[in-house]
Amino acid sequence: AQSVTQLGSHVSVSEGALVLLRCNYSSSVPPYLFWYVQYPNQGLQLLLKYTTGATLVKGINGFEAEFKKSETSFHLTKPSAHMSDAAEYFCAVNPSGSRLTFGEGTQLTVNP
Amino acid sequence: EAGVAQSPRYKIIEKRQSVAFWCNPISGHATLYWYQQILGQGPKLLIQFQNNGVVDDSQLPKDRFSAERLKGVDSTLKIQPAKLEDSAVYLCASSLDRVATQYFGPGTRLLVL
Repeated sequence: AQSVTQLGSHVSVSEGALVLLRCNYSSSVPPYLFWYVQYPNQGLQLLLKYTTGATLVKGINGFEAEFKKSETSFHLTKPSAHMSDAAEYFCAVNPSGSRLTFGEGTQLTVNP
Repeated sequence: EAGVAQSPRYKIIEKRQSVAFWCNPISGHATLYWYQQILGQGPKLLIQFQNNGVVDDSQLPKDRFSAERLKGVDSTLKIQPAKLEDSAVYLCASSLDRVATQYFGPGTRLLVL
């Protein structure tokens, strides 16, 4: 069975600072990994995904994530936070087409 | 390209009543999913359809929840009777196939009093 752990349910950064949202997973088979963002009263929007190939994945809105198999991690980063990045972020794992399992989410606050 | 449509957006009912949610996936998407997202938690898969057949309903509380996807397009999710703990956002998602990216609708927010 697969699982996802997001370290820190709340992360607060200043505008212009580095954003780092942590995600660790467990999977018995090579996983597909995803980051989704959810704005208030909206559905989930895909930020980026890793399936195979290059381990550094670039997504929308300046976000990127690196798949590190040895650390079973898929942390999300953005060099400079904007106020519009304030939202909830979910990491998810989907081992080779099976059920998509989400983490508990990290609420990102961006302070002016 | 139109996204995943869901209705209603909000619903308030009393416990023991029944409720139904509707989802229209992205055109051409064979796989459709229903998720339950309780406040403060990540979405949890309730049921997955491939065309009009059920692929995974292992986490669906079948004593009160039911879902169907007639003709392999639109889908409805029903709760009968509702319990207080069913208060949540119900998200519908669709994808081209079982391994493709899932695209989510805006969700239906259910409050059971």
